[in-house]
Amino acid sequence: DIQMTQSPSSLSASVGDRVTITCRASQSISRYLNWYHQKPGKAPKVLIYAASSLQSGVPSRFSGSGSGTDFTLTISSLQPEDFATYYCQQSYSIPFTFGGGTKVEIK
Amino acid sequence: QVQLQESGPGLVKPSETLSLTCTVSGGSISSYYWSWIRQPPGKGLEWIGYIYYSGSTNYNPSLKSRVTISVDTSKNQVSLKLSSVSAADTAVYYCARRGTHYDSGTVYYYMDVWGKGTMVTVSS
Repeated sequence: DIQMTQSPSSLSASVGDRVTITCRASQSISRYLNWYHQKPGKAPKVLIYAASSLQSGVPSRFSGSGSGTDFTLTISSLQPEDFATYYCQQSYSIPFTFGGGTKVEIK
Repeated sequence: QVQLQESGPGLVKPSETLSLTCTVSGGSISSYYWSWIRQPPGKGLEWIGYIYYSGSTNYNPSLKSRVTISVDTSKNQVSLKLSSVSAADTAVYYCARRGTHYDSGTVYYYMDVWGKGTMVTVSS
C-alpha cells in the first residue's frame, strides 16, 4: 500500500493567514493526489483533484501543487469556514489511501 | 443534483454481518463507480472498496476476505456487507461517487459526491 504522510498533524492560525499543508507519498504517484476537508460531524468534501485542479464551487483561495511524492495544499487567506480537518488521498493505485489529516484550528 | 443516503442498522453484534445500503437520488447510478469509505471515531479515513454500475468490484486487500459490495441498478442502490465484525469495525460509513477528470490523455479519479454517513457500532 502507498503510505500518505501529512504535516503538520495540526496547526493554529488566524483569519487572513496563509496556510500550507504538505502531503508526502511513500512512492511516486505522479499527480494522482486529491485534497478534501471535513468539518465535525460532516462528510469530507473534495477541494482539489489531480494535484492542482480546483473542484467546481470551491473558492479560489484554495490551491494545490506538486507531483511525484511531494504535494502542497495552500489556503491563501484563511476564512472562518476553513477551520476543519484536511486530508490528502492518492488515487494512483489500489487500495486508495488517505493521509492522517491536518486539523486547522483557530488561534 | 445527485445525493447519496446511507442506511442500515446502527448497532451490530460481534461476529455478525454489517449490512448497509446507499441510495442514489437526483441522478442515475449508471456509468459511475461507487465507493465505500469508513472513519472510526476520532480517526482518519479508510477506503473499503468500489463497484462499477455493471457490477465489477475492487476491494481494499486488508478487508477483502470480509467485504462484499453489490449494486441494484433498478433501485439505484449500492450495498455493503462486512462479515465477522469486531469492535475495530465501529465507524462512520460513507458512500461516495467516483468522479473522473481527463487531462492530456490521463484519467484522474476522486470522490466528488459523498453521503452524510451512517454510524455503525459493533457491540454485544
